Amino acid sequence: TAGITQAPTSQILAAGRSMTLRCTQDMRHNAMYWYRQDLGLGLRLIHYSNTAGTTGKGEVPDGYSVSRANTDDFPLTLASAVPSQTSVYFCATSPEAEGKGYTFGSGTRLTVV
Amino acid sequence: GQNIDQPTEMTATEGAIVQINCTYQTSGFNGLFWYQQHAGEAPTFLSYNVLDGLEEKGRFSSFLSRSKGYSYLLLKELQMKDSASYLCAVMDSNYQLIWGAGTKLIIKP
Repeated sequence: TAGITQAPTSQILAAGRSMTLRCTQDMRHNAMYWYRQDLGLGLRLIHYSNTAGTTGKGEVPDGYSVSRANTDDFPLTLASAVPSQTSVYFCATSPEAEGKGYTFGSGTRLTVV
Repeated sequence: GQNIDQPTEMTATEGAIVQINCTYQTSGFNGLFWYQQHAGEAPTFLSYNVLDGLEEKGRFSSFLSRSKGYSYLLLKELQMKDSASYLCAVMDSNYQLIWGAGTKLIIKP
């Protein structure tokens, strides 16, 4: 089934440790996004990539980094996790940067302790 | 700043009609989206409005007034499976989506 695969589904991480959240798509969409979703707040954009080889900062990029070596993969790395990064992380794609309608992955629930 | 406002929670009865409102203030406008999100799941696309007026899709309709910075999602013939959060999002002048916090809709039998 075509779509977006995120891994892991959930993770408990010790503060100060690093971690990479994986996102892989097979729809050949150009644009990819990383969001975090916290209770009572809207989805907040962390980083985005309009096409392979380019990335940009969203609303809340501090403490996170991304890379886009190819069309399909868009990993999100936390270099040194802090408790405030406890959240649900969603990867999303769109056929183009000005696209109509994003497709979301199933999410990664991360708890930093 | 940019802002999307929608009610935190609404309750409705199975078989009835409910209207979820969304008001927005953004730097530019390139369309308004509604997404549905069931608890513990990813958001899924419901509708897209870029011109004023009503877009109908089965039991769901979405309305937009750009001059008023206002939209609503209308759900008819409510079913228990419609219990979910409904997210309003606006695409700004930089083609970035700005999201509301979502409206949790509770359907009672």
